[in-house]
Amino acid sequence: EDQVTQSPEALRLQEGESSSLNCSYTVSGLRGLFWYRQDPGKGPEFLFTLYSAGEEKEKERLKATLTKKESFLHITAPKPEDSATYLCAVQITTGANSKLTFGKGITLSVRP
Amino acid sequence: DTGVSQDPRHKITKRGQNVTFRCDPISEHNRLYWYRQTLGQGPEFLTYFQNEAQLEKSRLLSDRFSAERPKGSFSTLEIQRTEQGDSAMYLCASSFYSIEQFFGPGTRLTVL
Repeated sequence: EDQVTQSPEALRLQEGESSSLNCSYTVSGLRGLFWYRQDPGKGPEFLFTLYSAGEEKEKERLKATLTKKESFLHITAPKPEDSATYLCAVQITTGANSKLTFGKGITLSVRP
Repeated sequence: DTGVSQDPRHKITKRGQNVTFRCDPISEHNRLYWYRQTLGQGPEFLTYFQNEAQLEKSRLLSDRFSAERPKGSFSTLEIQRTEQGDSAMYLCASSFYSIEQFFGPGTRLTVL
């Protein structure tokens, strides 16, 4: 069964304190790995898609990387507005269904 | 705004009542997905459509749940005889084939 595990469950950072969020996955065949940001009471907001090991993508203070077993979301010099839940999801190659299987998310709090 | 929209945003109902939610996807997207999210969890796949065809349903989707996408545009999700365990955020997402999924704001269902 496809599994996605995110760690830590929660992370508290001081403004400017860089860190990384981890997403480990076990799937039969990876089509893509997705990162989303979710604010309380809202739907997930798309951040990145990674398709192959070694791929990296950046957006402002965020950088996502992918290996054959895990993905990292690096946050450089975070600001309080980066506080949110970050969700990782995988899409598998089997069949035509392009559903996403999500982890539980990592709740990030950035203190000013 | 050309994003995914959902209506209503909040629904409070009594146990045993029927409820219906609507999702309007991004206009050029041919795939539409329904997910359910409970507190502290990532979204869980319920069902998806390609155009008007419902191609897969999760085993989470009991026979009290039904979804339609009659003309390949908007979709509705109906829950009959609601139970307290149905309380959750119901999320709709759309994509062009298996490329990135974009989520709507969700419908928060509370069953009393």
